[in-house]
Amino acid sequence: SQTIHQWPATLVQPVGSPLSLECTVEGTSNPNLYWYRQAAGRGLQLLFYSVGIGQISSEVPQNLSASRPQDRQFILSSKKLLLSDSGFYLCAWSDIPSGRPYYEQYFGPGTRLTVT
Amino acid sequence: GQSLEQPSEVTAVEGAIVQINCTYQTSGFYGLSWYQQHDGGAPTFLSYNALDGLEETGRFSSFLSRSDSYGYLLLQELQMKDSASYFCAVRDPSGNTPLVFGKGTRLSVIA
Repeated sequence: SQTIHQWPATLVQPVGSPLSLECTVEGTSNPNLYWYRQAAGRGLQLLFYSVGIGQISSEVPQNLSASRPQDRQFILSSKKLLLSDSGFYLCAWSDIPSGRPYYEQYFGPGTRLTVT
Repeated sequence: GQSLEQPSEVTAVEGAIVQINCTYQTSGFYGLSWYQQHDGGAPTFLSYNALDGLEETGRFSSFLSRSDSYGYLLLQELQMKDSASYFCAVRDPSGNTPLVFGKGTRLSVIA
């Protein structure tokens, strides 16, 4: 079966510090990978998605970046955090089953980031 | 692009039935999905409609009308544990694109 891991679970960082959040997926190959951010009580904002190693699509211009160094690893980074970067960061994966017109997205447990 | 509208909050009594509506505007359409998210947790998939009509999974049902660009999630025999946020989502059929989520409806079940 497939599992998705994210770490750390919680993080408190000062403004201006760097950030690195890691997501890994097990039990599947060549998944689509996604990073979402959710502010408190708000919806899911898509930040980045990747359909393959080294292929990153950015949805929102910001001080964040993403990388996919390995097939099942997705990393979210920042060189200098802003207060507005606080939120709940969710990694998700999906694949496209052949012959089926849709796919589900499976979310990791999330990282709660507080920038102080 | 795609946009989805759903009510921000709904309150219902334990044991009752509640309907959460979702209207969407898309340049293409490839089905309407519903996700549930409890406070502090990750969203989990509930249901999917590709064709018009009602899909039933236990106490939860989801409906789609493609001609009206409208769908809803129906929760029956509400339980306290159903208190959560519910998101509708669509995907553009053109290419390998992510789901686009609505802003979510926070359901509060009261005794």
